[in-house]
Amino acid sequence: GENVEQHPSTLSVQEGDSAVIKCTYSDSASNYFPWYKQELGKRPQLIIDIRSNVGEKKDQRIAVTLNKTAKHFSLHITETQPEDSAVYFCAAIRGGGFKTIFGAGTRLFVKA
Amino acid sequence: DVKVTQSSRYLVKRTGEKVFLECVQDMDHENMFWYRQDPGLGLRLIYFSYDVKMKEKGDIPEGYSVSREKKERFSLILESASTNQTSMYLCASSGPGNTEAFFGQGTRLTVV
Repeated sequence: GENVEQHPSTLSVQEGDSAVIKCTYSDSASNYFPWYKQELGKRPQLIIDIRSNVGEKKDQRIAVTLNKTAKHFSLHITETQPEDSAVYFCAAIRGGGFKTIFGAGTRLFVKA
Repeated sequence: DVKVTQSSRYLVKRTGEKVFLECVQDMDHENMFWYRQDPGLGLRLIYFSYDVKMKEKGDIPEGYSVSREKKERFSLILESASTNQTSMYLCASSGPGNTEAFFGQGTRLTVV
């Protein structure tokens, strides 16, 4: 069945450094790849997404890249700040569908 | 502003009880989902629904059922609660096509 693998499970960086989280998906029909951020005690919220007709998308300090051939996509956070500390989930959705498969999550710690 | 509301933030139930978790969304979304969230396992899909009275099994449907009698409401039912169903339960909804999922605040269920 469909599967999304996410690495690393935990990531600790110094404030100001960059953080990269990587995901691999199995369903070649996937064409929508959102990233969600979940702060402690709060609900997951979308921070950025990318569709399969685009290779890269950027929004201020956050960027996502997609390699459809290799079936992997990554989240890049530059100039990290303590408020970036959270759990980040990647997800993949197949074209024409609505079933969202999530990765296991990455807990990011940004040390001041 | 999309609102997805779950009926309870915290619940404590006894083993063998029938448990109802309710979720209501106010954006006329077609798709609704129930996930459970456990440490290290991410968000696992229990059931989803793409229309009133329609339901599809997710990855971990055993021990659960769902009901969608009205478009705005999606209920998760634990037929006979067991201790291994102690978890955080998250409801979500999304519009047509591959779009952002909006989450409820979560229900932390403890089965004793």
